[in-house]
Amino acid sequence: RKEVEQDPGPFNVPEGATVAFNCTYSNSASQSFFWYRQDCRKEPKLLMSVYSSGNEDGRFTAQLNRASQYISLLIRDSKLSDSATYLCVVNWSNAGKSTFGDGTTLTVKP
Amino acid sequence: EAGVTQFPSHSVIEKGQTVTLRCDPISGHDNLYWYRRVMGKEIKFLLHFVKESKQDESGMPNNRFLAERTGGTYSTLKVQPAELEDSGVYFCASSLTGDRGYTFGSGTRLTVV
Repeated sequence: RKEVEQDPGPFNVPEGATVAFNCTYSNSASQSFFWYRQDCRKEPKLLMSVYSSGNEDGRFTAQLNRASQYISLLIRDSKLSDSATYLCVVNWSNAGKSTFGDGTTLTVKP
Repeated sequence: EAGVTQFPSHSVIEKGQTVTLRCDPISGHDNLYWYRRVMGKEIKFLLHFVKESKQDESGMPNNRFLAERTGGTYSTLKVQPAELEDSGVYFCASSLTGDRGYTFGSGTRLTVV
C-alpha cells in the first residue's frame, strides 16, 4: 500500500461544476498536509495547507480528518484555468521530507 | 523576491558520464530539498539540507548521487556515473520553516541515453 493514495482520476468536468478530490495517508503520526497544483511540464506549486479545522481560500476548500486519515479538496465553480494535476502531500514531521501522492488530473471543459 | 532557480533546465548525457545539477534557493531559506520524478511515478524525496548540514538523505538511491550545500546557500547534486534509470525531472525546493509547504524550482529534466 502506498503511503499517500489519491483518487486515480482523471476528472473531466464542465465549467462551473463542483469537484472533490480525496486522499488517504498511512502514517497516523503525520504532522502537516498540503495540496499542490502542477501544470503540465511545470513544477508543483503550493495551493493550500490543510488544517484540522478545515480551511477555505476562495473557491477552494480543504478538509482534514485525522481519525480516518484522509484529506479532501473541494473546488467550486470550476474554471478552465483550474485544469491541472492536483497533488496531495503529507509531511511526517513539520520541516522534514514530504511524501507525494500520484496526483489527480482535472480537466475543466467549456 | 526571486524564486528557486535550477540549472540547467535540460541535460542529455550518455550513460557513464557525470552531471551536476545546481539549485539556488530563495534567499534566507535554511531548508533546501531535492526531489525527483521518474517517468510514470510520483515525486519522491531525495534529501533535505538545513543550512549546510544534511538533515535527511534517506531518499538518495545509491552512492552514485552526491549532494552538497557548501556555505548553506546554493546546492549541487552530482550523479556519477549516470545510469539510464536516473532519467527524470529533478526538483529543488526551499522553505523558511518547512511546515507551510515549499517553493519549488522549475526542475532539471535529465535524460541519460
